Amino acid sequence: EPEVTQTPSHQVTQMGQEVILRCVPISNHLYFYWYRQILGQKVEFLVSFYNNEISEKSEIFDDQFSVERPDGSNFTLKIRSTKLEDSAMYFCASSEKTGGNSPLHFGNGTRLTVT
Amino acid sequence: GQSLEQPSEVTAVEGAIVQINCTYQTSGFYGLSWYQQHDGGAPTFLSYNALDGLEETGRFSSFLSRSDSYGYLLLQELQMKDSASYFCAVRAGTGGFKTIFGAGTRLFVKA
Repeated sequence: EPEVTQTPSHQVTQMGQEVILRCVPISNHLYFYWYRQILGQKVEFLVSFYNNEISEKSEIFDDQFSVERPDGSNFTLKIRSTKLEDSAMYFCASSEKTGGNSPLHFGNGTRLTVT
Repeated sequence: GQSLEQPSEVTAVEGAIVQINCTYQTSGFYGLSWYQQHDGGAPTFLSYNALDGLEETGRFSSFLSRSDSYGYLLLQELQMKDSASYFCAVRAGTGGFKTIFGAGTRLFVKA
């Protein structure tokens, strides 16, 4: 079964550094998402991406965040200047459509630790 | 805005039935979904309700009442492997481009 893959599985970085989290969505999916989950807490929406542009973003997704689809398969999340509170699990997801009956397929996540 | 309320924790014994409730407030309703997440794992899709009533998928069923802004996930014949967090979720925003998750219900299944 096709799956969403994320790399790296774990990233440790120092405060103020830039990080890029990578994702390969399922190949026939058109909608891409980033979520984050602070340990033990809810899954929080960051951004959705369709047709090479952001379709929706949350209040969390401020100017330090950006997303890109640099080629036909990868989808990246960049955090420009990391803060301690950015430490979380970051999940990439993709879906075929936007309807509720088109479920999100999540990758296994990248655990980001900011020291 | 959007908000979803669900209990933080439920405990049940193996073989039993458990119901996890979810109430929601949202503009532009596109249906209610349920996801399961094991510790250290990714959320995985369980079920979806767009219309009122019960949807059954094996041991799991999900119910929706749009007039009450309420739904539940029913897990039957509980197994130890069902111990996980369960999240209700709604599509929101214009065009349904974002899925908002509840805080999750931690299910503990005891022998």
